[in-house]
Amino acid sequence: DADVTQTPRNRITKTGKRIMLECSQTKGHDRMYWYRQDPGLGLRLIYYSFDVKDINKGEISDGYSVSRQAQAKFSLSLESAIPNQTALYFCATSDRSTGDGEQYFGPGTRLTVT
Amino acid sequence: QKEVEQNSGPLSVPEGAIASLNCTYSDRVSQSFFWYRQYSGKSPELIMSIYSNGDKEDGRFTAQLNKASQYVSLLIRDSQPSDSATYLCAVNEDYGQNFVFGPGTRLSVLP
Repeated sequence: DADVTQTPRNRITKTGKRIMLECSQTKGHDRMYWYRQDPGLGLRLIYYSFDVKDINKGEISDGYSVSRQAQAKFSLSLESAIPNQTALYFCATSDRSTGDGEQYFGPGTRLTVT
Repeated sequence: QKEVEQNSGPLSVPEGAIASLNCTYSDRVSQSFFWYRQYSGKSPELIMSIYSNGDKEDGRFTAQLNKASQYVSLLIRDSQPSDSATYLCAVNEDYGQNFVFGPGTRLSVLP
């Protein structure tokens, strides 16, 4: 089984809808991250969490919110989806002993907002 | 805001050649540096990390770091078609949470 899983893998939604992307990990890592990837822009950090009680905004948090329900679960919500949130979304984890650099990524969720 | 720059490519090399991928960064306090590989449609995976000036070798991969020039590179020797992917450079400060990915360089190894 994969160490970092994301659901759904693909989602098409309409403008204005609320949508939640979920991430679960079995690696036992305390740090979790949400990124979006757009062609030519690389990976941009949306939110990150160093433990259940520690959640921080990343570079592009506007329009997004997160919830760290447990050490192993980190969800990303789009409260009112808009077309420019169409992107590939990745969840990642890392262990505090190795810091932020050694991240393990989930398979990604391809989100399309029409 | 820290910036990490990479040539977007595509960089095309013949099979068996050395592929050289370059990355520059703007923040002088950056301390740790990483190379990730991302196959088309897949998630990134870590292939190399480097923390000190000089070279670090791992199989066919060599990472080179020059902090004075704010430059990190990845060399792939004996390139194979299976090395065709996008390579992402990432930079971090040891005492902060300022971890940034570059936009990536797409490498194509031609049989």
